[in-house]
Amino acid sequence: GAVVSQHPSRVICKSGTSVKIECRSLDFQATTMFWYRQFPKQSLMLMATSNEGSKATYEQGVEKDKFLINHASLTLSTLTVTSAHPEDSSFYICSARGTAGNTIYFGEGSWLTVV
Amino acid sequence: RKEVEQDPGPFNVPEGATVAFNCTYSNSASQSFFWYRQDCRKEPKLLMSVYSSGNEDGRFTAQLNRASQYISLLIRDSKLSDSATYLCVVENDYQLIWGAGTKLIIKP
Repeated sequence: GAVVSQHPSRVICKSGTSVKIECRSLDFQATTMFWYRQFPKQSLMLMATSNEGSKATYEQGVEKDKFLINHASLTLSTLTVTSAHPEDSSFYICSARGTAGNTIYFGEGSWLTVV
Repeated sequence: RKEVEQDPGPFNVPEGATVAFNCTYSNSASQSFFWYRQDCRKEPKLLMSVYSSGNEDGRFTAQLNRASQYISLLIRDSKLSDSATYLCVVENDYQLIWGAGTKLIIKP
């Protein structure tokens, strides 16, 4: 079946640095990718929706200059957390919707720890 | 009022028992409904879609009540491996709205 690969699965970075998370659809073309953040014991919170070749649409309260999203191809979207702070430590998950149908596939998630 | 509401639990249930979760949603125009399962520190995984006529998959039964705007999930003969957080998801115009999840703990 369709697979979405996300990496790194875990990353620790220093405060003030940037970290990039990749999300790839392995056997289908993803016209739309979604980026979520989940804090412990809380629900998934949609950060942004990205469509291939166009700018991402950010949810209210999500800083677009801090969370840079690039969806340059139909199989790859990246989330870059710039100038990371400890409060950015969270579980980040991507999901992708294929060109056919409404099924959404999730990446395995990335645990970000900012120290 | 949250768009999708769930009892956070935890539900502590003995193995073999039947357990039911409910989820309410606020947008009457919502088109699609799903139950996802999320294990600790993992990504959510689709458990089942929810149809107006109700649907069953093995020990799991999902139902939708559009008039009252709630969906339910019933788990029969619960197993230890059913311990997880169950997330109710509602789709509006291709956007998924997630509930906070209900934590289920199955005890031997």
